Amino acid sequence: SQQGEEDPQALSIQEGENATMNCSYKTSINNLQWYRQNSGRGLVHLILIRSNEREKHSGRLRVTLDTSKKSSSLLITASRAADTASYFCAAGGGGSQGNLIFGKGTKLSVKP
Amino acid sequence: GAGVSQSPRYKVAKRGQDVALRCDPISGHVSLFWYQQALGQGPEFLTYFQNEAQLDKSGLPSDRFFAERPEGSVSTLKIQRTQQEDSAVYLCASSLVGQGGFYEQYFGPGTRLTVT
Repeated sequence: SQQGEEDPQALSIQEGENATMNCSYKTSINNLQWYRQNSGRGLVHLILIRSNEREKHSGRLRVTLDTSKKSSSLLITASRAADTASYFCAAGGGGSQGNLIFGKGTKLSVKP
Repeated sequence: GAGVSQSPRYKVAKRGQDVALRCDPISGHVSLFWYQQALGQGPEFLTYFQNEAQLDKSGLPSDRFFAERPEGSVSTLKIQRTQQEDSAVYLCASSLVGQGGFYEQYFGPGTRLTVT
């Protein structure tokens, strides 16, 4: 499989806490993207960080990228029950031009 | 505006049957992608179109899988002689511009295929 790894595989927190998910990838990249998937639904794009960027913010989301370690992290601050979902990182623009290479995902559960 | 739509949402096929899965991308989107997602896993790339040209089909698992986008809009993924290991959710995504994985992708809800 070409998939990268996400860590942890599952995360359970209380509403209001911060959630941090980590991702490692194997290929060279143009960008690293994060997606959210609610149970039984399609993926929703959250944020894209390019390989020449180190950190990016969008609302309650903060993403970091370390290309030397081939790793990225997604931080969700002040989590809400509605944030409960699976989160996937995807490496973009690598070897094959059409390819987004997804990790296996982190299943986040936010308890009210 | 309308997002990416896929039909059918659910498909049950008997082993050996042929199936056709349809994707309607966002109007005007140049790039279209098909992914396969097994239960509890992330999506895996199958194939990529830029307009009507299939630029990458490296992820298609066998020659039983065939995809087309003849007019550069709607796409169909066809699986011939389905087997149990084909059971998965098939996701379609589109992107406004070309160059595959360089930009954000918009996903449809997927077609859940179950082969019995």
